[in-house]
Amino acid sequence: AQSVTQLGSHVSVSEGALVLLRCNYSSSVPPYLFWYVQYPNQGLQLLLKYTSAATLVKGINGFEAEFKKSETSFHLTKPSAHMSDAAEYFCAVKSTRGGSNYKLTFGKGTLLTVNP
Amino acid sequence: NAGVTQTPKFQVLKTGQSMTLQCAQDMNHNSMYWYRQDPGMGLRLIYYSASEGTTDKGEVPNGYNVSRLNKREFSLRLESAAPSQTSVYFCASSNEQGSPLFGSGTRLTVV
Repeated sequence: AQSVTQLGSHVSVSEGALVLLRCNYSSSVPPYLFWYVQYPNQGLQLLLKYTSAATLVKGINGFEAEFKKSETSFHLTKPSAHMSDAAEYFCAVKSTRGGSNYKLTFGKGTLLTVNP
Repeated sequence: NAGVTQTPKFQVLKTGQSMTLQCAQDMNHNSMYWYRQDPGMGLRLIYYSASEGTTDKGEVPNGYNVSRLNKREFSLRLESAAPSQTSVYFCASSNEQGSPLFGSGTRLTVV
């Protein structure tokens, strides 16, 4: 069975500070990993994805994430927070084969607040 | 260039009523998903369909049924709505290596 744990349901940073949102996963097969962002009253927008190519993945809006197999982690970072980054962020894992058959599982989300 | 289209966008039901949420994608994706989103719970998978003709239960399937009508369409049915099914429902689709693309959601209230 696959699962995703996002550490910290709420993260608060100052504008210009480093953003670090944590995600750990479990999967019995090599996973695909995703980060999505959701602004209030909107749908989910893909930030970036890992699909077994480069372990450091760059996404939109200056975000990036690093896949670390030994730590089963896929943390999301941005060097300098902007007010417009305030949103909820979701990490997700998709299995690539086996009984789960491409099932997509989400973490509970991390609400990012950016203070002026 | 529509992507994933969900209808309706908003719905209010009385307890015990039934309804079907519609989802269609025009990207020739094999896999389709239905999620519900509740505060503090993230997105929980209700049902998914890895390919046309197959459906599987997700994390919270009780009270729901699905139909993969064809490759494009994946509907979610509530046979007898309950207040606990008040939620925002999202449909998504993807191919095997692709990133799941989401619809804009259906906000359902059961009174």
